[in-house]
Amino acid sequence: KNEVEQSPQNLTAQEGEFITINCSYSVGISALHWLQQHPGGGIVSLFMLSSGKKKHGRLIATINIQEKHSSLHITASHPRDSAVYICACCQIGPNYGGSQGNLIFGKGTKLSVKP
Amino acid sequence: DAGVIQSPRHEVTEMGQEVTLRCKPISGHNSLFWYRQTMMRGLELLIYFNNNVPIDDSGMPEDRFSAKMPNASFSTLKIQPSEPRDSAVYFCASSLWGGFTGELFFGEGSRLTVL
Repeated sequence: KNEVEQSPQNLTAQEGEFITINCSYSVGISALHWLQQHPGGGIVSLFMLSSGKKKHGRLIATINIQEKHSSLHITASHPRDSAVYICACCQIGPNYGGSQGNLIFGKGTKLSVKP
Repeated sequence: DAGVIQSPRHEVTEMGQEVTLRCKPISGHNSLFWYRQTMMRGLELLIYFNNNVPIDDSGMPEDRFSAKMPNASFSTLKIQPSEPRDSAVYFCASSLWGGFTGELFFGEGSRLTVL
């Protein structure tokens, strides 16, 4: 069982719609990452957060540590937002110290925004 | 900075051949990660270096896979002998502080096809 679960797996929206992608995790974390992978394959880091909320342009990421849940929101969605959005968080292991760690990735949410 | 540079971008080889993938991390970053992405399993960590030292290689599938980081500006991932099930996109990423607290910067990936 993947310890990082994303929903939905696929999402189709009309341009302008408000979009929410969810991520739940079961491992202890220090920081959670949201990544974006475009059809060309490149991966870009959108956010890294360990508490509260972060905003960058039309993108907002929130995290609730107690509930082990994070959400990525896109306001006023646009066709260029079409991509796979991947949630990843860190596994604290016995051999890791300080800020080192392993990322466990969700399966990704494929977003398609129609004009 | 040019970002994380990977080569080759595409590699097609025959089963049994040796494959070497290369990565140049962002200058000044002290953590380097090799990931493999497949349709079935998504993104998986293969190995993680911190200050050129391998910290976690538990994701390396088997002895056919090896990775080195001889200096802070270069890393290789070698597969010998290659098998069709190794076909995937291999990503290298670097970070200033490691996966816990450092933003990840990904290379464009190396798409490997083993016939």
